[in-house]
Amino acid sequence: GAVVSQHPSWVICKSGTSVKIECRSLDFQATTMFWYRQFPKQSLMLMATSNEGSKATYEQGVEKDKFLINHASLTLSTLTVTSAHPEDSSFYICSARDYRNSPLHFGNGTRLTVT
Amino acid sequence: AQKITQTQPGMFVQEKEAVTLDCTYDTSDQSYGLFWYKQPSSGEMIFLIYQGSYDEQNATEGRYSLNFQKARKSANLVISASQLGDSAMYFCAMRDYDSGGYQKVTFGTGTKLQVIP
Repeated sequence: GAVVSQHPSWVICKSGTSVKIECRSLDFQATTMFWYRQFPKQSLMLMATSNEGSKATYEQGVEKDKFLINHASLTLSTLTVTSAHPEDSSFYICSARDYRNSPLHFGNGTRLTVT
Repeated sequence: AQKITQTQPGMFVQEKEAVTLDCTYDTSDQSYGLFWYKQPSSGEMIFLIYQGSYDEQNATEGRYSLNFQKARKSANLVISASQLGDSAMYFCAMRDYDSGGYQKVTFGTGTKLQVIP
């Protein structure tokens, strides 16, 4: 149980375009989802906390206008990287929990390459 | 100050031997949780084990055990009988609360474990 599906697993886009990444909880409802970013050989950095039906909470230093998060339902959160630039190339990974104190269940991540 | 500290960037272990991956943490909360995740080269994050701050017994899950020393604020992962498939990055993480009372999960910098045949 507690499966999180993330799509796409990899994407290559041109500089200036926007990319949408989807995160779905398949067998549980997730009122809260978390978006992380990971640079090569580094740890996961929390970007934002996505709350169903309300605005996302962004971490300090994360541009909310660049990384748009929408949590439209209890099973879906999306991250849109707007006007992507090469420095946005990274591994983006979402996570959710099925109850308050449960471990985070992660999607398989999305490798974004901006050319 | 770092909330989660993993001081071993890389570790080697002989196949079938046990290995301990270190993790120390810093929080002023009384209620918190500690996790270990495994990240293979393919990138997915695999949950291994959880320890709650009020749990008196050390957590165990198969070959994984968590050596929880609350007074020292350490939560070391012990992998017994290492297998080649254990080669991966291992992240220690802590769930506590931010200044606004919201839960947050913070990750350490990771330890790259390589199992030698």
